[in-house]
Amino acid sequence: DIQMTQSPSSLSASVGDRVTITCRASQGISNSLAWFQQRPGKAPKSLIYGASNLQTGVPSKFSGNGSGTDFTLTISSLQPEDFATYYCQHYKGYPFAFGGGTKVEIK
Amino acid sequence: VQLLESGGGLVQPGGSLRLSCAASGFTFSSSSMSWVRQAPGKGLEWVSSITTTGSTFYADSVKGRFTTSRDNSKNTLFLQMSSLTAEDTAVYYCAKLTSDWGQGTTVTVSS
Repeated sequence: DIQMTQSPSSLSASVGDRVTITCRASQGISNSLAWFQQRPGKAPKSLIYGASNLQTGVPSKFSGNGSGTDFTLTISSLQPEDFATYYCQHYKGYPFAFGGGTKVEIK
Repeated sequence: VQLLESGGGLVQPGGSLRLSCAASGFTFSSSSMSWVRQAPGKGLEWVSSITTTGSTFYADSVKGRFTTSRDNSKNTLFLQMSSLTAEDTAVYYCAKLTSDWGQGTTVTVSS
């Protein structure tokens, strides 16, 4: 089974900062990777699929990169509504798996 | 797109529960669907998926206890859960995984 490892598990940042979250797969998954945002008490929201494709309606300050085993999610300029937990997930065959999450907090 | 889960609640250890997910706004029969859960204070855990042809896949943690099915005539996804333990306590989400999620239904396993 493919395991997903995210880093860091949490980070503190200020409004306007550029933030990058890393996700590593235990074996190659091509570009079968999605990113999700979850605000407290809310359902996850899809941000990116296919490693780098923005879901409709997601602002362009979010970007995804990578292929194979190493992936990144970058938020170019943090805004108050971006403080949340972010998860990666592979869908390169079953069983699917999520990363452990990265909590982005206000500094 | 709307995904509306129902069927959650309080159940005793060893008990059973069936969750439903009513889908609308897209062609349900053409979409693979999944269940994802989140235990209190924890991260997301993929539980199960069902393809358009009805093939099902499960996480090891639920294999043999949970059954996913779909009724394309009613645009509804189901999760039949049995032999429940405290470790199954979570919010259960129905999802078209890389795009749309429901709001979740809470399952609490406790005596």
